[in-house]
Amino acid sequence: AQKVTQAQTEISVVEKEDVTLDCVYETRDTTYYLFWYKQPPSGELVFLIRRNSFDEQNEISGRYSWNFQKSTSSFNFTITASQVVDSAVYFCALREETSGSRLTFGEGTQLTVNP
Amino acid sequence: GAGVSQSPSNKVTEKGKDVELRCDPISGHTALYWYRQSLGQGLEFLIYFQGNSAPDKSGLPSDRFSAERTGGSVSTLTIQRTQQEDSAVYLCASTTGPGPYEQYFGPGTRLTVT
Repeated sequence: AQKVTQAQTEISVVEKEDVTLDCVYETRDTTYYLFWYKQPPSGELVFLIRRNSFDEQNEISGRYSWNFQKSTSSFNFTITASQVVDSAVYFCALREETSGSRLTFGEGTQLTVNP
Repeated sequence: GAGVSQSPSNKVTEKGKDVELRCDPISGHTALYWYRQSLGQGLEFLIYFQGNSAPDKSGLPSDRFSAERTGGSVSTLTIQRTQQEDSAVYLCASTTGPGPYEQYFGPGTRLTVT
């Protein structure tokens, strides 16, 4: 069965620090998709990124970067030079090809960026 | 364009009452999902619609939960004889199709069962 683990329940940093949110997944599928979502205090989940299992290229988008490593079943998310507006709960999610269209979410990491 | 909308935003109900939660997906999105977010269980999948059909309803926690979708658009999640453990935020999401596309989420309905 698929599983997503975000071991860090809460992280607190000071503005401008870099921070990495960890995500480890389990799946038996060879084709799968990984996602990161942000849930700000307003509550609405915001899509950040999707990767498929055949593309291990790291991705950078502004201050955000993602490191996908199949060898360790990890899909970590780094925020560079964090800002107060980055404060939110971040969820990692997995979609398996054989499990239909559902997303399996990790427990989420509460990130607090202090000024 | 308009995003996914859900109503009501908040619902307080007495134990044993039935409730209906509504989701309006993004126009043209054929796939629709319901999830539940609660403190103890995190974000859980409930049901998936493709068009008006529900090929995956395996996440519904009991037969008190049901959902329908009409006209390939609006969906209603119904909880009968509500229990306190049903208290949660119910989230709806939609995508352009059944593929591995990003799901766009609505703001959720916060259900409190007293």
